Amino acid sequence: GAVVSQHPSWVICKSGTSVKIECRSLDFQATTMFWYRQFPKQSLMLMATSNEGSKATYEQGVEKDKFLINHASLTLSTLTVTSAHPEDSSFYICSARGGLDLMNTEAFFGQGTRLTVV
Amino acid sequence: GIQVEQSPPDLILQEGANSTLRCNFSDSVNNLQWFHQNPWGQLINLFYIPSGTKQNGRLSATTVATERYSLLYISSSQTTDSGVYFCAVVGRGGSEKLVFGKGTKLTVNP
Repeated sequence: GAVVSQHPSWVICKSGTSVKIECRSLDFQATTMFWYRQFPKQSLMLMATSNEGSKATYEQGVEKDKFLINHASLTLSTLTVTSAHPEDSSFYICSARGGLDLMNTEAFFGQGTRLTVV
Repeated sequence: GIQVEQSPPDLILQEGANSTLRCNFSDSVNNLQWFHQNPWGQLINLFYIPSGTKQNGRLSATTVATERYSLLYISSSQTTDSGVYFCAVVGRGGSEKLVFGKGTKLTVNP
């Protein structure tokens, strides 16, 4: 299957600072990438859909000014958690799918990033 | 939006036992995937199966799209099968979003 690489795997930051998470599709071009958040013992919740060269589409309740998403190329999307606070501590996972028919295309996931804000 | 329900929520097995995990969905789907989330959080793709039956070693899956459910079978379970199994779907309503169920937590004891 396709490979999606996410970096860093874990990060600890101080409250008030910003953290950037990278998501790369290594062997295919990802026209669309998705960012999920997962709290302990819960399922994955979609935060936003990121399309190459255009603005991300955020799910209801997700603060777009806090979670900045950039999809500058067909292989890279970044999520920046701005002015992080302890309640932003969570597991963030990106997903990528290639091709134009996203509804019928298999999704692949990065390794996830565990963010701890102290 | 489309709803995804997985059952059972928790399952405890002895090594060597077989199990069946179920995923019900509330509407027609274009895409259905099964994942295994390992203890480090990585989602491992198991099956891409919007319809039909597939097998991969000790695992197999069947999706009956007309009846809106999918089953994941694990045979001769091993301790390394432990983790959370997620079903996720893309509904036919035009959205490209992959919607996850709440998962089944599987524990395989030696």
